[in-house]
Amino acid sequence: GENVEQHPSTLSVQEGDSAVIKCTYSDSASNYFPWYKQELGKRPQLIIDIRSNVGEKKDQRIAVTLNKTAKHFSLHITETQPEDSAVYFCAATRNRDDKIIFGKGTRLHILP
Amino acid sequence: GAGVSQTPSNKVTEKGKYVELRCDPISGHTALYWYRQSLGQGPEFLIYFQGTGAADDSGLPNDRFFAVRPEGSVSTLKIQRTERGDSAVYLCASSTTGHNEQFFGPGTRLTVL
Repeated sequence: GENVEQHPSTLSVQEGDSAVIKCTYSDSASNYFPWYKQELGKRPQLIIDIRSNVGEKKDQRIAVTLNKTAKHFSLHITETQPEDSAVYFCAATRNRDDKIIFGKGTRLHILP
Repeated sequence: GAGVSQTPSNKVTEKGKYVELRCDPISGHTALYWYRQSLGQGPEFLIYFQGTGAADDSGLPNDRFFAVRPEGSVSTLKIQRTERGDSAVYLCASSTTGHNEQFFGPGTRLTVL
């Protein structure tokens, strides 16, 4: 079945440095890749997404890249800040209105 | 406007009991999804409604789990003969037709003793 692998499971970076989280997906029909941020005890919130007809997308300090041939996609956070500390989930889905397949998450710690 | 809401926020029950979890989607959202999130894991898909009908229930783990959405708005997830392994946070999400972004509710934390 569909599967999304995410690594690392835990990531610690110094405040101000960059963080990179990488994911791979198995379903070649996937065409929409959202990233969610979840703070402790809170709901997942969409922070950025990318569609399969785009290779890269940037929103301020956050960027995502997609390599559809290799079925890889990544999240890049630059100039990290303490409020970036959270669990980040990559995900993939086939069609509009379809179920989302999530990775297992990356716990990001921003060190002072 | 109001986001997705879920009730109760916490539910503690005993093994073997029946529970119902409720989801109120964002007004006008035709698609509604249920996910289950175990500790330290990503949300896992359970079932998806388009209007009143279940468009995909392939994620329901077994026949103890059932969900309804009789009027195409509020949905109820029903779990019979609960087991300790059912303990998790049950998340509901909704979206408008034709758009991928799903908006999540705060979840119901279910604990089966």
